[in-house]
Amino acid sequence: QSVLTQPPSASGTPGQRVTISCSGSSSNIGSNYVYWYQQLPGTAPKLLIYGTNQRPSGVPDRFSGSKSGSSASLAISGLQSEDEADYYCAAWDDSLNGLVFGTGTKVTVL
Amino acid sequence: EVQLVESGGGLVKPGGSLRLSCAASGFTFSSYDMSWVRQAPGKGLEWVSSISSSGSYIYYADSVKGRFTISRDSAKNSLYLHMNGLRAEDTAVYYCARDYSGYDFWGQGTLVTVSS
Repeated sequence: QSVLTQPPSASGTPGQRVTISCSGSSSNIGSNYVYWYQQLPGTAPKLLIYGTNQRPSGVPDRFSGSKSGSSASLAISGLQSEDEADYYCAAWDDSLNGLVFGTGTKVTVL
Repeated sequence: EVQLVESGGGLVKPGGSLRLSCAASGFTFSSYDMSWVRQAPGKGLEWVSSISSSGSYIYYADSVKGRFTISRDSAKNSLYLHMNGLRAEDTAVYYCARDYSGYDFWGQGTLVTVSS
């Protein structure tokens, strides 16, 4: 089962700000970088955030990542219809000696 | 242009074996760590295995340890996943991904179905 816990769903109207939480522990989020992936329906995941709060080239600055202790967050500001997707957090886990993904959050644009 | 193309998926009986391949192009394959990630139908992402650029460091998820083997061939720019003792719960789309400050490029995935 997933070691990182996310809310199953989140929603907002166009232009709103949506925040997705990712709860872990001291062996993963608490001591390692956090990554966020966006998965549009029927497609492969796409890297959205690396190094906890860095955006790859081409990712809009509407997406931002942060971390506090053993929890992380992804914020989407100025929500757009094309942001409707599944979002996953991930981090290396020192105890498991492997990467762990979050349970995933489905974002709906109302 | 970076491309990762998986192949080798299909229908296999429980206890059977399969070898997945991932053909890489558009970058210096030997310089990057690589990984396999899977996604069961309608479920979330699950990390399966990773291999360092040199092949010296290999990691497996507990769910596949002892049954799956990751390998790479830099001469062929290819990543492999040898899967033995397949179970119904291994049914998933298997993605290969390049690991560079996160999984920055992914293949389109190949479906593995384990069923009698």
